[in-house]
Amino acid sequence: NAGVMQNPRHLVRRRGQEARLRCSPMKGHSHVYWYRQLPEEGLKFMVYLQKENIIDESGMPKERFSAEFPKEGPSILRIQQVVRGDSAAYFCASSPPGLASEQYFGPGTRLTVT
Amino acid sequence: SQQGEEDPQALSIQEGENATMNCSYKTSINNLQWYRQNSGRGLVHLILIRSNEREKHSGRLRVTLDTSKKSSSLLITASRAADTASYFCATEGNNRLAFGKGNQVVVIP
Repeated sequence: NAGVMQNPRHLVRRRGQEARLRCSPMKGHSHVYWYRQLPEEGLKFMVYLQKENIIDESGMPKERFSAEFPKEGPSILRIQQVVRGDSAAYFCASSPPGLASEQYFGPGTRLTVT
Repeated sequence: SQQGEEDPQALSIQEGENATMNCSYKTSINNLQWYRQNSGRGLVHLILIRSNEREKHSGRLRVTLDTSKKSSSLLITASRAADTASYFCATEGNNRLAFGKGNQVVVIP
């Protein structure tokens, strides 16, 4: 049973470009969570999604950030017009329905904005 | 929202010694979890302790929970060089995990 998959593992973007981060949950998990980790910090919640539905996006910046979890395919975290402050590690986690305490984390995508 | 906070922030010990780190939180919880993160890697779940539990063991790990003080501790016994990592506590609420800033532990061989 493969764990949570994230790709790419490393992503370099120039200021103003778009970044797309992908997350495939564990088999049987229909809930996905995105977290951001700034250097020397803990993880901060960004968004919680179910298939085709955003449940809670209260941790997402109001502009440039969006997330989706389509019926088919991985969850996507999209950052438009990236700025240097977006440089961070972005982690995805998945859980079975109704079990937010049982979140399994992917290896993360490290975004560097130059 | 709930938020774990670890204390101390950095710890350097000799291999074979015990490492203890603490975490405090602000609101009522259902459970508290500890995670390990090796440099540049993802999070590995270590242990979950429920609010009605006071102590839990897993291998060389011992976790305590004091809900009256809203605090938890993680003890790693007989540390090894491979235990060098950052350790985070996390509380769950509103369908999300709230993490502290983490403890960096360096085990010197």
